[in-house]
This record gives sequence, C-alpha cells and structure tokens, in this order.
Amino acid sequence: DVKVTQSSRYLVKRTGEKVFLECVQDMDHENMFWYRQDPGLGLRLIYFSYDVKMKEKGDIPEGYSVSREKKERFSLILESASTNQTSMYLCASSTGTGDYEQYFGPGTRLTVT
Amino acid sequence: KNQVEQSPQSLIILEGKNCTLQCNYTVSPFSNLRWYKQDTGRGPVSLTIMTFSENTKSNGRYTATLDADTKQSSLHITASQLSDSASYICVVSHTGGFKTIFGAGTRLFVKA
Repeated sequence: DVKVTQSSRYLVKRTGEKVFLECVQDMDHENMFWYRQDPGLGLRLIYFSYDVKMKEKGDIPEGYSVSREKKERFSLILESASTNQTSMYLCASSTGTGDYEQYFGPGTRLTVT
Repeated sequence: KNQVEQSPQSLIILEGKNCTLQCNYTVSPFSNLRWYKQDTGRGPVSLTIMTFSENTKSNGRYTATLDADTKQSSLHITASQLSDSASYICVVSHTGGFKTIFGAGTRLFVKA
C-alpha cells in the first residue's frame, strides 16, 4: 500500500512564525503536491514537484515556498505565518506515468493565532 | 475557465437508502474523472476513475457514471451505511492527466 505521511496532525503557531510542514511518501513517486483545503472551496493546489529540486507554482503559491531535496520528501514552508493561512494542509504523491492517481496523506490542521 | 461543480453541497439520508451525487465540469482537454471519498480527519481516497470512453464504473456499492457529451458525472451509492458518511470529491484531470481540478465536494451524512 502506498503510504504518505505528514509530520503533524495538528499544529498551532503564532502570527509571524516560520512554519515547516513535512511530507514523506514511500512509493518512489515522481510527483508530489501540497494543497490546502477550506470549507466550500475544495482542495486548492499550492505547489507541486515532478522531480527532486524541481518545483512549480500551483493556484495559490503566495506566502508559501517548498523544498524537495530528496525524492521521498516534500516540505511546505510558511515564511511568516498569517491568520489567513489557518487551514487543513494535504500532501499527495503520484507516479509520473499512467493515470496519475494521487495518494493523500492524513492532513495537517494548522491554526495561526 | 476549467471548473468542477458539485451538488448538493450536503446531503442527509437514512441508513439503507440510496443517493446520487452530481458533478458538472468544464475542463478541457479532458483526460479522466475520478471520485474520491474523504473521511473526517483523513486524506481523500480514490473510489473510481473513468476515461472519455467509459460511461460507468462500479466499486462495490458505489457506481459512477460519465456523460462526456454533457460533461456530467454522478456517483450513486446503494444501500447506504453509516460508514458512508464522508465528503465525496469529484476530480477532473486534463493535459494528459497530470493537471487536476478539484470540486468542492458533497458532504454526506448517513443517519441510523
């Protein structure tokens, strides 16, 4: 079974703090994704990566950065957390071929106060 | 603009009853359409996937249909169970399948 794990299930941070969210997948997938999920808006793509050290902006990259130093690990960084970044963050991975099914982690519920 | 719209936003049904969730999309070029189930506090899990040439796909009590001409899909749940309470998300892929557009989801509540 594909396993995607995220470093924290719940996180509370203060405004202005630097926040790191870690995601690890164990299926040697080429592609990895970071989404945020808010009520009524569905999943929105923040960044994705199709290879080590490669990254592409998604639909809402402002206020976020990412890092992919190893194939299995994809990190999301909030340089200076703000209250409007309070959300559920979901990481996913997929193969680089085939039907590109995305496998999701359990999510991190981030609250910025 | 590529969009995926789902209806209803939420639905409450009695255990044992059937229900149908709707998904309309304006995504081009179409590659495939997938339904995900997301339990509370968990990430989404794929239920079915359909390509342009497929118009129905079943996974146990879940049956998805696709009408590529009208750009509509539905997810039918038969004999609902309490464990079916979840959000159901319609996802349409384009550009060879790599890029995806997510619907906002339908929140289903099944009560005893």
